[in-house]
Amino acid sequence: KAGVTQTPRYLIKTRGQQVTLSCSPISGHRSVSWYQQTPGQGLQFLFEYFSETQRNKGNFPGRFSGRQFSNSRSEMNVSTLELGDSALYLCASSKGQGETQYFGPGTRLLVL
Amino acid sequence: AQSVTQLGSHVSVSEGALVLLRCNYSSSVPPYLFWYVQYPNQGLQLLLKYTTGATLVKGINGFEAEFKKSETSFHLTKPSAHMSDAAEYFCAVFFSGGYNKLIFGAGTRLAVHP
Repeated sequence: KAGVTQTPRYLIKTRGQQVTLSCSPISGHRSVSWYQQTPGQGLQFLFEYFSETQRNKGNFPGRFSGRQFSNSRSEMNVSTLELGDSALYLCASSKGQGETQYFGPGTRLLVL
Repeated sequence: AQSVTQLGSHVSVSEGALVLLRCNYSSSVPPYLFWYVQYPNQGLQLLLKYTTGATLVKGINGFEAEFKKSETSFHLTKPSAHMSDAAEYFCAVFFSGGYNKLIFGAGTRLAVHP
């Protein structure tokens, strides 16, 4: 089985721009979760989608949003980028809540 | 509040020595417990998990962990460290009962020296 894939792997943006990251889950997995990883804050939960519905949300501002498509692929969007948004964004898929989450390689975002 | 604590942000061991990485959590409800490993510039890879049943769990690469409910701990061990074990290790806990989130510890960076 193919693993979780994320595109793009690297991204450079400037403050004020917006960005869209994509995640394709493992075949058969309906849950997709997003995390932000930074040296200072560690791994922080952004949100989880299941069957095209946001089921859970972390403590991030409304600039961070996401969606899930009928094929379970997910995108996250960050609008009005700030320097502090520079991070590794990880996507994970699972069969459901409490099930093992399998992670993609991440998208490294640098905001200048 | 639900939390996950990893004692020691950096651990250094000699090759062949015992590896012990500590993880404690706070929860009144039995959680699901995971250990992940992250190599540089990569995502997280599952080492092992505990959901129910036997409290000693064996994972990949010779790692194992024991769930101790009375101590709310899930420490990761490996009898003999190898140079390739150098990486960052994350303990993660899925808190159910309405919270339904996977919460990660801050991570422990393991260094293995000859």
